[in-house]
Order: sequence, then structure tokens, then C-alpha cells
Amino acid sequence: GAGVSQSPSNKVTEKGKDVELRCDPISGHTALYWYRQSLGQGLEFLIYFQGNSAPDKSGLPSDRFSAERTGGSVSTLTIQRTQQEDSAVYLCASSLGTGVNQPQHFGDGTRLSIL
Amino acid sequence: GENVEQHPSTLSVQEGDSAVIKCTYSDSASNYFPWYKQELGKRPQLIIDIRSNVGEKKDQRIAVTLNKTAKHFSLHITETQPEDSAVYFCAGGSDKIIFGKGTRLHILP
Repeated sequence: GAGVSQSPSNKVTEKGKDVELRCDPISGHTALYWYRQSLGQGLEFLIYFQGNSAPDKSGLPSDRFSAERTGGSVSTLTIQRTQQEDSAVYLCASSLGTGVNQPQHFGDGTRLSIL
Repeated sequence: GENVEQHPSTLSVQEGDSAVIKCTYSDSASNYFPWYKQELGKRPQLIIDIRSNVGEKKDQRIAVTLNKTAKHFSLHITETQPEDSAVYFCAGGSDKIIFGKGTRLHILP
């Protein structure tokens, strides 16, 4: 497709389970971001991939969170041993270029609910 | 670390009036400042952006101003309409983009 694609769109799981969220960026976009948005709140930065550089993981809230980007394209955000406070919408965005001076294009997000 | 502050958190204006949202940033190396609009239940979408080599940019009813010396930038919406009701986010940064906490804009009939 032409836009950023995220899957699944909704995920409900039990506390303690692991979850994987997927992001397909726009073809050719070298930068990829993950954000977390709790209900009615702002965009909390999680992690940033830029080309082949080491990712900026400074926003990951705990060691239960990890992300990878294979082949410079698809990215997976993994949350281990989920907790109720992990419930939120997880947004992925991609942008063109090697710097931060390009507009970000967002996916529709994955709404994660931890029971 | 890098920080972007946004004010106000909530703003109500009468339809037809102007709305102004202000942001400040801490990273003096920042040179790109986008604004995003997020309607309820939808993805954020870019509405306007400005780079540090200009002080003002306008697109129809929307304008953004940048003061690099003071490290602040503002979004101006004129002749507001009901469809302008949404949450607006400013952003900036040098090695990664950081978002402000958002402004919920209500357009009153």
C-alpha cells in the first residue's frame, strides 16, 4: 500500500503474555519511529531507527520492551510479560531521508488492551 | 535531554475567531518544526511545518511562526471552523523528533 501499515489493529491479551506489534513503513523510507499514546495523552517516544545506524532506544520504558527492524524495512515492537499499564495505542511512523528534517507519516496504530 | 513544551493543553474558541498554540524547545540544534493534527480515533497528520531558515510560513488559514533566538514557535489558525476541532501536536528536535503533549482545540458554535 501507499501508507504506513500496522498490524494487528487491535490486540487484547492477558497480563503476563508477550505481544508483537508490526509496522510496515512506506517503501524507501529510511527512518522509523515507534510511539505510545495512552488514552487522551500525547505521543510518547519509544524508539527510532535510521538506516543502518544503531537505533535510539532512549524512550523504551523498561527492559520488557524491545524492537527490531529487519532489512531496513519492517519493524516489530515486542512487549514481554505485559502489564496493565502497557495498555495504549502504539503508533509507528516513517519518514524519508537521513535526518530528522522530514515529515513523519503515521500508521493507524495498534490498540493494545491488557486484561 | 531534548524537550518540547506546548501550551495551552486545552483551548476553546468561538467559530470564526482565531486560535493560537505555542511551543518552546530546549535543543538549540533543532531545525525542523512540524505540526500535526489528530482527530478522535485517527492517526496524527501533518498540517504544516517550518524549517529554521524561515521565520514564518502560511498555508490558507494556517500559519506557523518561529523565533529561533527565543526557541519558540507558534501555530495560528484563523477563521476557525467546526472541522478544526482536534488535538494539535507540535514537534522538534535535532537527532530525533520529540512531540509536545498536545492541545485539545474546541471550536464553539
